[in-house]
Amino acid sequence: GNSVTQMEGPVTLSEEAFLTINCTYTATGYPSLFWYVQYPGEGLQLLLKATKADDKGSNKGFEATYRKETTSFHLEKGSVQVSDSAVYFCALSDLRDDKIIFGKGTRLHILP
Amino acid sequence: NAGVTQTPKFRVLKTGQSMTLLCAQDMNHEYMYWYRQDPGMGLRLIHYSVGEGTTAKGEVPDGYNVSRLKKQNFLLGLESAAPSQTSVYFCASAEVEPVTETTGELFFGEGSRLTVL
Repeated sequence: GNSVTQMEGPVTLSEEAFLTINCTYTATGYPSLFWYVQYPGEGLQLLLKATKADDKGSNKGFEATYRKETTSFHLEKGSVQVSDSAVYFCALSDLRDDKIIFGKGTRLHILP
Repeated sequence: NAGVTQTPKFRVLKTGQSMTLLCAQDMNHEYMYWYRQDPGMGLRLIHYSVGEGTTAKGEVPDGYNVSRLKKQNFLLGLESAAPSQTSVYFCASAEVEPVTETTGELFFGEGSRLTVL
């Protein structure tokens, strides 16, 4: 079945550091891929998405490229801020399934 | 712009009590979902619905029941609460992306924190 694997946290970085959170997936079809972010005490919200191979999703300085050859969708940001501290979830949506599959989440701490 | 609204936001139950969580969305979405979130476990799907009058089991359905009598509402019931059901519950709704025909962006409520003593 479909699955999403993302790096375990917590990840702790200093402000202005470069961020990468790895995400790989397995899917039988051609899924859409998402990154969601959850700020403390809130529900999840969509950060960015990509619907086909080689697409790049971007938002708020974050980027992720849909790599079909490596089945990956790694999240990157060039210079993180304290306000980026949150839990990040990688997810996929497959044509053959009505459900969205989530990874376990990666907690990010940014130190000032 | 309400989006997805969950009630109640907090609840404390004793073992064996019953309760219902209500999720309401005003975006006319077909798909609705109930998840639970526990430390270190990420999000786990309990039940979902792809339209009014339909429901389906997710990853962890035992001990829960759901109903979707109206398109905008999705109810999650606990018939006999157990301490293992202490969690934060999230409702979400979505529409099908017309181009890819996959489930599109999920819109989440703010969560309902349930404690079972």
